[in-house]
Formats: sequence, C-alpha cells, structure tokens
Amino acid sequence: NAGVTQTPKFQVLKTGQSMTLQCAQDMNHEYMSWYRQDPGMGLRLIHYSVGAGITDQGEVPNGYNVSRSTTEDFPLRLLSAAPSQTSVYFCASSTSWAGGGEQYFGPGTRLTVT
Amino acid sequence: TQLLEQSPQFLSIQEGENLTVYCNSSSVFSSLQWYRQEPGEGPVLLVTVVTGGEVKKLKRLTFQFGDARKDSSLHITAAQPGDTGLYLCAGRSGAGSYQLTFGKGTKLSVIP
Repeated sequence: NAGVTQTPKFQVLKTGQSMTLQCAQDMNHEYMSWYRQDPGMGLRLIHYSVGAGITDQGEVPNGYNVSRSTTEDFPLRLLSAAPSQTSVYFCASSTSWAGGGEQYFGPGTRLTVT
Repeated sequence: TQLLEQSPQFLSIQEGENLTVYCNSSSVFSSLQWYRQEPGEGPVLLVTVVTGGEVKKLKRLTFQFGDARKDSSLHITAAQPGDTGLYLCAGRSGAGSYQLTFGKGTKLSVIP
C-alpha cells in the first residue's frame, strides 16, 4: 500500500513551458486535492475533486487545470509556467470530508520556474 | 476568506520543556485539525476536534478546541527532539464543506 505518490519530486521549468504534475493514490479514496505551500503563506487549495469526473476550484486556481478520469489519478497541469508558480505542490486524498476526514498527503513536488 | 492565525511562528526550546502553540480565528469552524510536517515530507494528521470545549490527548500532546469553536491550542509536555517539525492547524467552515483553511504554521525546534 503506497498511499499517495507524486512525481516528479523536483522540477525546473522555464517561463512559458507547460507540464503535468502526477498524483496517484491506492486507497480507493473519493476525495483528492492539490495544494501549494509557499514560505509564510501556509497551504493553499488549488483544485479538488469529490469523485471521478467531478472537479472544482479552490482558493488559488488560476494558471492550473485538473481532470479526474479515474478514482486513482488526479494530475495537475500548468498551462504556461510563471515564476509566481515556484512552490512546493502537495496532493492529498481522503475518505470523507463531512465532519473532518483525514487527509493523506503525498511527499510533494518542488517546482522552480525561472 | 476565513483566516487562521498561528502563534508563535517560531519556537526553539530545550528537551524536557513544556510548550503551547495557538490557532485563532474570528470565524467559527465545524471542525479543526492539527498536522505535523517534517522537512521534505507532506503533513501528517495528528488529531481532529469537532465539539466546542473538546480536549483530546495523544501521549504527550494535548489538543483543545475552544468553546466557541473559533480557536484551538496544542500543548506538548516534556518536549523531545522527535517533536521537532512544522505544526499546522486547519479548519473547515461547515460540516458539508470540503475546503480546508490552513494556518501558516508554527516551526518547533527541540534542542537535545
């Protein structure tokens, strides 16, 4: 049982390039989400999904796209990378959010945009 | 936008000391969670509190949810070097809400 896995662990992009951050979970969780973590800013929700085929925007969705074709996978796409997207990105999954479900986080992807 | 303010931002203490970190808001939360994050890793859930006035204990860690469900505290007794890490509180505004609001965290260093 690997939990939540993320690839790559590190990535450097040039401004304007696009890329996809991969996230997969093997716990059959319905709920998945993407956060970014910046120094002094805490964790901020980018996009989330409550099940396959269903996604919604979080607090900071601009510049990012998501899709959820399977329960297991929830990729995050950067359409045209900008230096402001330099951050550490975490994917999380949970069984239930009503009443406070536990979120399991992946190890993160550290992204630098030059 | 609901905000969670954590204090202190940084804390450095000697092994064996006690400490308390705080998580405060002007908004009411239906539930509040505490996570610990170590360098290079994702946050790991420590506890969830859902009832105003609730107190939960996890070995040397004691968590309290304020009566009005606007604030919370984490108390560590006899801190150990293994307690070192970033402590994050996160709240949900409503029982049906998926979105978690995170505080900025308290970075704890326990010196042997």
